Amino acid sequence: QSVLTQPPSVSGAPGQRVTISCTGSSSNIGAGYDVHWYQQLPGTAPKLLMYGNSNRPSGVPDRFSGSKSGTSASLAITGLQAEDEADYYCQSYDSSLSGPRVFGGGTKLTVL
Amino acid sequence: QVQLQESGPGLVKPSETLSLTCTVSSDSISSSYWSWIRQPPGKGLEWIGYIYYSGSTNYNPSLKSRVTISVDKSKNQFSLKLSSVTAADTAVYYCTREFAWGMDVWGQGTTVTVSS
Repeated sequence: QSVLTQPPSVSGAPGQRVTISCTGSSSNIGAGYDVHWYQQLPGTAPKLLMYGNSNRPSGVPDRFSGSKSGTSASLAITGLQAEDEADYYCQSYDSSLSGPRVFGGGTKLTVL
Repeated sequence: QVQLQESGPGLVKPSETLSLTCTVSSDSISSSYWSWIRQPPGKGLEWIGYIYYSGSTNYNPSLKSRVTISVDKSKNQFSLKLSSVTAADTAVYYCTREFAWGMDVWGQGTTVTVSS
């Protein structure tokens, strides 16, 4: 069971908007720690998609956006495209016995 | 362009020690934190631990008793050792570079199977 909770799956049609939530607690997201997001395309290594809650690395389309509030964070994807179909993971930091780095369980995005 | 490459045996027997090395190219290992992440078949990502170039380490509490991460600055490499492996340690193992803005460079991953 992951320290950060994500929905196992989300889906949307091309052009639509989807959001992926990442729920933590007072020892991680709620403590003010940053949340990062990773995209893992099928058969490949994860790639940093969003850092520091809402910052896009160079090359990431502005269709992707991130936010954080309280003990949760969210990743939003607008103008959904077929190539967005992937697994998405949130990652933060934790001050409890869970360990200093924690991941969400991952969310499979299906583009219908 | 910074590149990370994992290397090591793809098959390890139960109760033995898994050993992997990550070679860092186009960056100095004395620049940041370096982590190991693993992903069991069909499952999510699990943080194993990190090492700073100074040698300071931090490990996942669930693996701490079995994990050692070390750095070889002369070879620009860092390594993972996981002892007393079982089938539950079968996974793809990734090495990553980590800054305050997350894990921005990942190796391609190496599959390790624990089986007799």
